[in-house]
Amino acid sequence: DQQVKQNSPSLSVQEGRISILNCDYTNSMFDYFLWYKKYPAEGPTFLISISSIKDKNEDGRFTVFLNKSAKHLSLHIVPSQPGDSAVYFCAASAHNYQLIWGAGTKLIIKP
Amino acid sequence: DADVTQTPRNRITKTGKRIMLECSQTKGHDRMYWYRQDPGLGLRLIYYSFDVKDINKGEISDGYSVSRQAQAKFSLSLESAIPNQTALYFCATSDPRAKGGSGANVLTFGAGSRLTVL
Repeated sequence: DQQVKQNSPSLSVQEGRISILNCDYTNSMFDYFLWYKKYPAEGPTFLISISSIKDKNEDGRFTVFLNKSAKHLSLHIVPSQPGDSAVYFCAASAHNYQLIWGAGTKLIIKP
Repeated sequence: DADVTQTPRNRITKTGKRIMLECSQTKGHDRMYWYRQDPGLGLRLIYYSFDVKDINKGEISDGYSVSRQAQAKFSLSLESAIPNQTALYFCATSDPRAKGGSGANVLTFGAGSRLTVL
């Protein structure tokens, strides 16, 4: 039973446009949500996070939105740049206990 | 130098062999983790350690063992490797006092160790 789902294995976006990556979860006890970015031959690196008491968190070009009623979060990247091409993982935890990870979405930014 | 270093980066071995993957960190974090990544799946936790005397099983610990030799070193062993342990393995560290802006516990990962069991 996948508690964290990223239903799009890949996403292709034109450079300069908005990239929207989606993540759904089933466990209502999750109270922290994180996005990690992974380049080939490297480990995941932390990008941005949000707690369940917020519905939006912004850091430069990256914004994460949380819709608790729908158990859905999304990562917006505006504007998309070639260096944003990577695999993006959504992860969630309850009380900062074990992180549960989605399968990842490969983002391709086209020039 | 990387904050979290994994060795070896790539390893091919045969069924039944004993394999050790090593992880060392210079971040001074007490918490260390071993994860496994398979195609089409997210990262899954194998073992974690909150300090040198604390070892805990994760979601998929069967067939694996770990050793926390020091605060900076955490090794993962496969006593008798089997083909379905072919995967990408990641070591990670965290400091519960240094959270992300939201209060989330943020992990720092090594570059990964790709293991192939024939």
